Amino acid sequence: GQSLEQPSEVTAVEGAIVQINCTYQTSGFYGLSWYQQHDGGAPTFLSYNALDGLEETGRFSSFLSRSDSYGYLLLQELQMKDSASYFCALNTNAGKSTFGDGTTLTVKP
Amino acid sequence: NAGVTQTPKFQVLKTGQSMTLQCAQDMNHNSMYWYRQDPGMGLRLIYYSASEGTTDKGEVPNGYNVSRLNKREFSLRLESAAPSQTSVYFCASSVLREAFFGQGTRLTVV
Repeated sequence: GQSLEQPSEVTAVEGAIVQINCTYQTSGFYGLSWYQQHDGGAPTFLSYNALDGLEETGRFSSFLSRSDSYGYLLLQELQMKDSASYFCALNTNAGKSTFGDGTTLTVKP
Repeated sequence: NAGVTQTPKFQVLKTGQSMTLQCAQDMNHNSMYWYRQDPGMGLRLIYYSASEGTTDKGEVPNGYNVSRLNKREFSLRLESAAPSQTSVYFCASSVLREAFFGQGTRLTVV
């Protein structure tokens, strides 16, 4: 089986940088994805790491270390609209994904 | 470009009733999925279909059945609804590393 752990809540101020961590246990996977979900909405894809290292997409970056079974999502220049839930997910065969329980990010002015 | 479309958006069922949740995608993706999301939790995979004509169980398949009608459509059926199936249901399709989700069906079983 697979499992992922994320902090349940994170709070930061507008303009700051925040890091959301994700640790996992798995017998094998292709990569680690990150999704954003606003309250009542559908999850939307943010980033994906197949290899160790940093992937940068605008204000969002994601990191993976397979040797440490660890990844994180880094959000820079936080905006109020970034207040949402963020999920990490392990991608296995056929694109099947196992999701963590999510981290609720609150951005304060 | 509609992406992934789910119907209905809201539904209230009585215990024991049956219903089918419909999902269609217009992105020509082979893989499609049904997830459920309970309050404060992540998405749990119910069933998935790697290609037209194939389906497989996910993490929480009990009480559900699916049909991959064609490449576009993937339906989820509750044969005898139970209060424990009260949840938000998301359909998704994927290509490579990215999944695209529908807007969800909010189901309440009373």
